[in-house]
Amino acid sequence: QLQLQESGPGLVKPSETLSLTCTVSGGSISSSSYYWGWIRQPPGKGLEWIGSIYYSGSTYYNPSLKSRVTISVDTSKNQFSLKLSSVTAADTAVYYCARLVATIFDYWGQGTLVTVSS
Amino acid sequence: EIVLTQSPATLSLSPGERATLSCRASQSVSSYLAWYQQKPGQAPRLLIYDASNRATGIPARFSGSGSGTDFTLTISSLEPEDFAVYYCQQRSNWPTFGQGTKLEIK
Repeated sequence: QLQLQESGPGLVKPSETLSLTCTVSGGSISSSSYYWGWIRQPPGKGLEWIGSIYYSGSTYYNPSLKSRVTISVDTSKNQFSLKLSSVTAADTAVYYCARLVATIFDYWGQGTLVTVSS
Repeated sequence: EIVLTQSPATLSLSPGERATLSCRASQSVSSYLAWYQQKPGQAPRLLIYDASNRATGIPARFSGSGSGTDFTLTISSLEPEDFAVYYCQQRSNWPTFGQGTKLEIK
């Protein structure tokens, strides 16, 4: 059974960089059939796609976040990571990692709350 | 950006009733629309993809229909575990989600 698990700091200061890692187990991140992505959900609000990556390193990002987002992959560790720079309180959210098949999010991590506060 | 508008925002029904949730796109997304269910404190779960295909393990009481700009998620007879928030998502362009419909117990 495929599992995804987010990890990283739960508190980030304004203007700093948010960094999260998603560890995939029960399957290979190097499968040619899937992309891997990040989605966030501010408290009490809806879902926002952040970006996605292929095992080869090919990425695509939400245009509204593109200038601040970097997603990378480490196939040797079966992990992919998110960096979001220059964060503000508006970036406070639950961050989910997920597997994508044809841009459909079919497996999700449990999510991790990241709060931006000094 | 393709904007998805879900209605109603909140739907109050009783177990055993039929639920009909709507999702309208600001431009055609063909059949590239998915539906997700989210319960409090949990990640979303894929229910329907490409407008009408049930995901693995999803009960037959869930069905999806529509194409172009207008889509519907129908739950034929509500079970207690179906009360949750439902989101639609398009993949015609870069992925976007609707704002959600909360299905609550009447």
